[in-house]
Amino acid sequence: DAGVTQSPTHLIKTRGQQVTLRCSPKSGHDTVSWYQQALGQGPQFIFQYYEEEERQRGNFPDRFSGHQFPNYSSELNVNALLLGDSALYLCASSLDRRDNSPLHFGNGTRLTVT
Amino acid sequence: AQSVSQHNHHVILSEAASLELGCNYSYGGTVNLFWYVQYPGQHLQLLLKYFSGDPLVKGIKGFEAEFIKSKFSFNLRKPSVQWSDTAEYFCAVSRGSTLGRLYFGRGTQLTVWP
Repeated sequence: DAGVTQSPTHLIKTRGQQVTLRCSPKSGHDTVSWYQQALGQGPQFIFQYYEEEERQRGNFPDRFSGHQFPNYSSELNVNALLLGDSALYLCASSLDRRDNSPLHFGNGTRLTVT
Repeated sequence: AQSVSQHNHHVILSEAASLELGCNYSYGGTVNLFWYVQYPGQHLQLLLKYFSGDPLVKGIKGFEAEFIKSKFSFNLRKPSVQWSDTAEYFCAVSRGSTLGRLYFGRGTQLTVWP
């Protein structure tokens, strides 16, 4: 059991569409980070949410946006999908970004853009 | 730019062989270092971590890693691998004294033959 749950597990979308991915953090965790893992690559940091605010952001365009809810769950939204957005999207949670709490990852959402 | 290099993309070993996976990073300041493992069909799991102190750290399942600051390296080792160690291994680095953005290497696929 990963503790971090993501939905859906798989998703197929068409170019230009919008998608929303969801994440519930491990119980007791309050920080959520999102990563994109392209085939054959390591995960790339998209952004991190803490106290319902985006605290850090990687090199991703504004088409990628997110939200964190009061219960610490989070959503990742991608607008105007491109073929290159096809990847495994990973959610990771931790207790607090200030206390060196290691990340716990979910199983990911496999997004295919056609 | 921050980067993490994993020298071997695919390593093939027989059971009982010794393992060493290389990892180098480019950031010169304070770093936190991690090795994650991804077994087939499973989520990323933390193998071991280094924040400070003894540069030789021991993780789960008999893995260990040594932080050599002068070489910007954090190599993963195991004296005797098992078939169940077949997985993808990722080295990751975070900067500074807080856990925020993780920079991942592209991963090393380890295949162990029985």
